[in-house]
Amino acid sequence: EIVLTQSPGTLSLSPGERATLSCRASHSVSSNYLAWYQQKPGLAPRLLIYGASSRATGIPDRFSGSGSGTDFTLTISRLEPEDFAVYYCHQYSTSPDTFGQGTKLEIK
Amino acid sequence: QVQLVQSGAEVKKPGDSLKVSCKASDYTFSAYGISWVRQAPGQGLEWLGWISVYKHTTNDAHKFQGRVNLTTDTATSTAYLELRTLRSDDTAVYYCARANGMGWLPSWGQGTLVTVSS
Repeated sequence: EIVLTQSPGTLSLSPGERATLSCRASHSVSSNYLAWYQQKPGLAPRLLIYGASSRATGIPDRFSGSGSGTDFTLTISRLEPEDFAVYYCHQYSTSPDTFGQGTKLEIK
Repeated sequence: QVQLVQSGAEVKKPGDSLKVSCKASDYTFSAYGISWVRQAPGQGLEWLGWISVYKHTTNDAHKFQGRVNLTTDTATSTAYLELRTLRSDDTAVYYCARANGMGWLPSWGQGTLVTVSS
């Protein structure tokens, strides 16, 4: 199975700053079948990015995804207060689907 | 607006079986797959499996093979997750999610908390 490793585990930033979250895969994720989700406490995950770089419906353009092969990045260009949450990457190219362990984005 | 509404919280004993339902609305149920994902308390997301509503085929995570059964009822647009021989480490929130295209998950149920305790 493809293991996804996210870094950092916790990222402390202030509103207005830029956030860069990393997701590294143990094997190549074919066709860039990688997604990013945001999760807030007590709620279901929310899809942000699919296909490594396509924004889901209704997602603000301050969220962007990039990368290919084994290295992927989620960038939040200018943090808003509502962006502080946990973020997960998810590969759906090779069964079983797998998720990264998450990056917690907290207010500094 | 796509909606997935799951059944309510459950308390089970070790060795019991669990069946969670996920009722879909506002889209063509048979046109998409349904994935099941769980989240243990304070932990990350774990994929259990996926079912193609149209083809009635399933793909389960190896870890759960033999214990999990994914089914759908197209008459009621409802998907079901059955998990047998429950253990305490099956305590988690269980989510269903609609799978688009090759498998990304744009729409999620609200989650079902399952507690396994003697």
